[in-house]
Amino acid sequence: ETGVTQSPTHLIKTRGQQVTLRCSSQSGHNTVSWYQQALGQGPQFIFQYYREEENGRGNFPPRFSGLQFPNYSSELNVNALELDDSALYLCASSLVGQGDYGYTFGSGTRLTVV
Amino acid sequence: AQSVTQPDIHITVSEGASLELRCNYSYGATPYLFWYVQSPGQGLQLLLKYFSGDTLVQGIKGFEAEFKRSQSSFNLRKPSVHWSDAAEYFCAVGAPGSGNEKLTFGTGTRLTIIP
Repeated sequence: ETGVTQSPTHLIKTRGQQVTLRCSSQSGHNTVSWYQQALGQGPQFIFQYYREEENGRGNFPPRFSGLQFPNYSSELNVNALELDDSALYLCASSLVGQGDYGYTFGSGTRLTVV
Repeated sequence: AQSVTQPDIHITVSEGASLELRCNYSYGATPYLFWYVQSPGQGLQLLLKYFSGDTLVQGIKGFEAEFKRSQSSFNLRKPSVHWSDAAEYFCAVGAPGSGNEKLTFGTGTRLTIIP
């Protein structure tokens, strides 16, 4: 079975710009969750997508948005980038309804905002 | 809202020695509890999880954790560490019946292994 793939692995953006991060789910999974991990911190829940709808959101402003596609892949979009958005962004897929939090995490996208 | 505290930012252990990483949680009922490991530049790998039942949970790579409701703790242990165990360890809590499988993570404990 394939794992979770995130792209790109690294990128550098300028403050005020917009960025799109991509995630391909593990085969058989129907839910994607996104987490932000700042340097030296634990991951923080941004939001989760199930059946192409947002299914729960953490304490992040509206300039963080997402999409889930029919093939269960997902995008995370961040507008008006700020320096504090510099972080490792982790995507995790799971099969909702199992109730077992069976996350598979990708290796992440390292975003640097300058 | 749930929260997790990992009191130790950094722990150094000699190879072959035993290990215990501390985790305390705050939640109104019995939460779901997890331990993840993260190697540099990598995503998170699940070591073990507790939902209910036996309070001593066995995981992968020889790790185990014990849920103690009275202490709101879920400490991770390993009897003999290997150099390959050097990594960042995260404790996390999930809220049963929340409608989504959101995890709240602690700030992590970095484990260094010395020869």
